[in-house]
Amino acid sequence: DVKVTQSSRYLVKRTGEKVFLECVQDMDHENMFWYRQDPGLGLRLIYFSYDVKMKEKGDIPEGYSVSREKKERFSLILESASTNQTSMYLCASSYEPDRVHEQYFGPGTRLTVT
Amino acid sequence: DQQVKQNSPSLSVQEGRISILNCDYTNSMFDYFLWYKKYPAEGPTFLISISSIKDKNEDGRFTVFLNKSAKHLSLHIVPSQPGDSAVYFCAASKNSGYSTLTFGKGTMLLVSP
Repeated sequence: DVKVTQSSRYLVKRTGEKVFLECVQDMDHENMFWYRQDPGLGLRLIYFSYDVKMKEKGDIPEGYSVSREKKERFSLILESASTNQTSMYLCASSYEPDRVHEQYFGPGTRLTVT
Repeated sequence: DQQVKQNSPSLSVQEGRISILNCDYTNSMFDYFLWYKKYPAEGPTFLISISSIKDKNEDGRFTVFLNKSAKHLSLHIVPSQPGDSAVYFCAASKNSGYSTLTFGKGTMLLVSP
């Protein structure tokens, strides 16, 4: 079974803090994704990566950056957290050659910025 | 510009009856469609998918129908069970460029005993 793990289930940070959210997958997937989920807005893609050290902006990249130094690990960075970044953050991975586009999700990190 | 639309935020169904969740899309480049199910405090899990070359895909109690001319797909759950109560997301993908998914806003299904 594919396993996608996220470093924290719940996180509380203060405005202006630098925040790191970590995601690890154990299935050697090429693609990794970061989404945020907000009520009434569904899942919105922040950034994705199709290879080590490669990154692409999603639909809402403002205020975020990412890092992928190893194939299995994809980090989301909030350079200076703001209250409007309070959200559920979901990491996902997928197997590129499959082209089935099925993504496997982690359990999510509920981030609160006060 | 919302390319994948789930116009019903919620749906209530009695146990044993059919649940029908709807999804519309606007981008004619989408050629693969997926449904995900999400329980509170968990990540979404893949439920069922359909390629644009098909009009129906069935997996147990779950069937997805695709009407390309109407740019509409639906998920049927028969019979509905209380454990099906969750948020259901429709997602679509283009077979070009990067394999990203575009998600709808989700429909919360409540199945009552």
